[in-house]
Amino acid sequence: GAGVSQTPSNKVTEKGKYVELRCDPISGHTALYWYRQSLGQGPEFLIYFQGTGAADDSGLPNDRFFAVRPEGSVSTLKIQRTERGDSAVYLCASRRDGNSPLHFGNGTRLTVT
Amino acid sequence: DAKTTQPPSMDCAEGRAANLPCNHSTISGNEYVYWYRQIHSQGPQYIIHGLKNNETNEMASLIITEDRKSSTLILPHATLRDTAVYYCIVRVSGGSNYKLTFGKGTLLTVNP
Repeated sequence: GAGVSQTPSNKVTEKGKYVELRCDPISGHTALYWYRQSLGQGPEFLIYFQGTGAADDSGLPNDRFFAVRPEGSVSTLKIQRTERGDSAVYLCASRRDGNSPLHFGNGTRLTVT
Repeated sequence: DAKTTQPPSMDCAEGRAANLPCNHSTISGNEYVYWYRQIHSQGPQYIIHGLKNNETNEMASLIITEDRKSSTLILPHATLRDTAVYYCIVRVSGGSNYKLTFGKGTLLTVNP
């Protein structure tokens, strides 16, 4: 079946601009996660949703980062006033329920110039 | 969640077993051990998880020591496509908050 889909796969933006990154989870998965991965590092947790609500947003680095999941399916990660340090691969994952494992997409590579 | 320690890199010959170690000496009784791997330019892929018994699936085997302070992921017949970064993660089972904290993992290189 279809996996987690992330669009765009690559995004180049100028410093100070606003960007939106989209995640389509696996159908029926109730939990959705955003991670960020810098070169040579493991994925870093940002936020996770259970249904429409953010169950844990403790990983968001500052108030320039915001994520929504209005209908409990697709999610959008929004970054305002982008900085060069925001350059990374942004990964989305979804999970069905209980102890079921996370399924990751292939990420959006964000480059801030 | 308990911290894990993994070697930064390992090599394995194609067709041989790859044994990837993980130390989690501060693990609690209700924390599971999860293994994921990440092939270059892809998202992490779930491999296997366990609590205290050894586990096996079509991808790998997971051996957890009796005191649960360490574990080993075994790929029985490594292929070139198994070259990836392997992450060992521990997390609490159940509860309302389920998130995985990744370390730097082990880069496994399978050589022809």
